[in-house]
Amino acid sequence: AQSVTQLGSHVSVSEGALVLLRCNYSSSVPPYLFWYVQYPNQGLQLLLKYTSAATLVKGINGFEAEFKKSETSFHLTKPSAHMSDAAEYFCAVIGWTGNQFYFGTGTSLTVIP
Amino acid sequence: DTEVTQTPKHLVMGMTNKKSLKCEQHMGHRAMYWYKQKAKKPPELMFVYSYEKLSINESVPSRFSPECPNSSLLNLHLHALQPEDSALYLCASSQQSGGAGKNIQYFGAGTRLSVL
Repeated sequence: AQSVTQLGSHVSVSEGALVLLRCNYSSSVPPYLFWYVQYPNQGLQLLLKYTSAATLVKGINGFEAEFKKSETSFHLTKPSAHMSDAAEYFCAVIGWTGNQFYFGTGTSLTVIP
Repeated sequence: DTEVTQTPKHLVMGMTNKKSLKCEQHMGHRAMYWYKQKAKKPPELMFVYSYEKLSINESVPSRFSPECPNSSLLNLHLHALQPEDSALYLCASSQQSGGAGKNIQYFGAGTRLSVL
């Protein structure tokens, strides 16, 4: 079975500081992992994906994530936070059938001016 | 183009009303999904259509009735809803082919539903 755990339901960073959002996965098979962002009153937008190619994945808006098998982690980072990064972030893993996404509980990012 | 279009954006309905939510995609995707999302929570899967056939129903109450008229359209018919059904309803689509790693889901902006 596949699942993801997001550590920290709320993260606050100062504008210009490093953003680190944590995601750990559990999977009995090589996982396919995703990060989505949700701005207020909007749907989910794909930030980046890991599909067993390069372990360091670059996404949109300056975000990247590194797949670490030894740590079963797929943490999301951005070197310098911008006010526009304030949103809800969801880590997700895809199930065997490819039809089911298992979402983490989400992390709300606040950026302090 | 990775657009999934949902209408309406907002819907207010009484508990005796019948209404429908619509979702449309023109990416040639063969899997479509309905999710329910409460505030500050992750989306909860409701239904999955694969090649226009219902493949997953996550024990959703019968007052929610999905329909997939063709490969581009997905509807969610609502009848006799309860106030606790108020939520953001999200539609998504994915390629369905090429293996699980290529089955990225693309989401619409959602319909904000309020049941009075």
